[in-house]
Amino acid sequence: EEQLVESGGGLIQRGGSLRLSCAVSGFIVSRNYMSWVRQAPGKGLEWVSIIYSDGKTYYTDSVKGRFTISRDNSKNTVNLQMNSLRAEDTAVYHCARAENTDDPFDVWGQGTLVTVSS
Amino acid sequence: SYVLTQAPSVSMAPGMTATITCGGNNIGTKSVHWYQQKPGQAPVLVMYFDSDRPSGIPERFSGSNSGNTATLTINRVEAGDEADYYCQVWDSSSDHWVFGGGTKLTVL
Repeated sequence: EEQLVESGGGLIQRGGSLRLSCAVSGFIVSRNYMSWVRQAPGKGLEWVSIIYSDGKTYYTDSVKGRFTISRDNSKNTVNLQMNSLRAEDTAVYHCARAENTDDPFDVWGQGTLVTVSS
Repeated sequence: SYVLTQAPSVSMAPGMTATITCGGNNIGTKSVHWYQQKPGQAPVLVMYFDSDRPSGIPERFSGSNSGNTATLTINRVEAGDEADYYCQVWDSSSDHWVFGGGTKLTVL
């Protein structure tokens, strides 16, 4: 069964750093497009970042330069290093899988909550 | 950047047909995917590549995409369909993934 389990969320002060991890089972991370999608309290889904199977990475404008997506092929995980956190980064962060650029996110994790206190 | 526009809410009586739209510039030239999200749960893919249904999604769900509007149609709406629905595309000009603002479907 294909499964994504996020961890690493918590309460952090503004300006601080946090590292999220997404543990993947049932498929190989490096052969897929792995993304982070967040949802602020009471708000809609917002795409954050993605890492392609060839290693290319992309970010939404509001996190560029502050967040870094990476993967650990040996552990089959995807990570999101979040620096210089702001109150507006407060959200549930979901890990999601797509198989290619035009494909849907067909597997999702339950998410991990990041709360940035001001 | 590419923008997808959805109505914030739609209400429908059980048994009726709900139509949820997603507006975008020439969206008909893009592949549109739809997700259903219930409170406290992760999103679930309910329609992909405009009109393909994943296994396990009822035939009551259908999709279309043309011009500047993509549509998710839910026939014979049931109480269990009450959820937020999001459209999504990949914007090739920026290599960004884009979600619509979401539509809350209320079953009266």
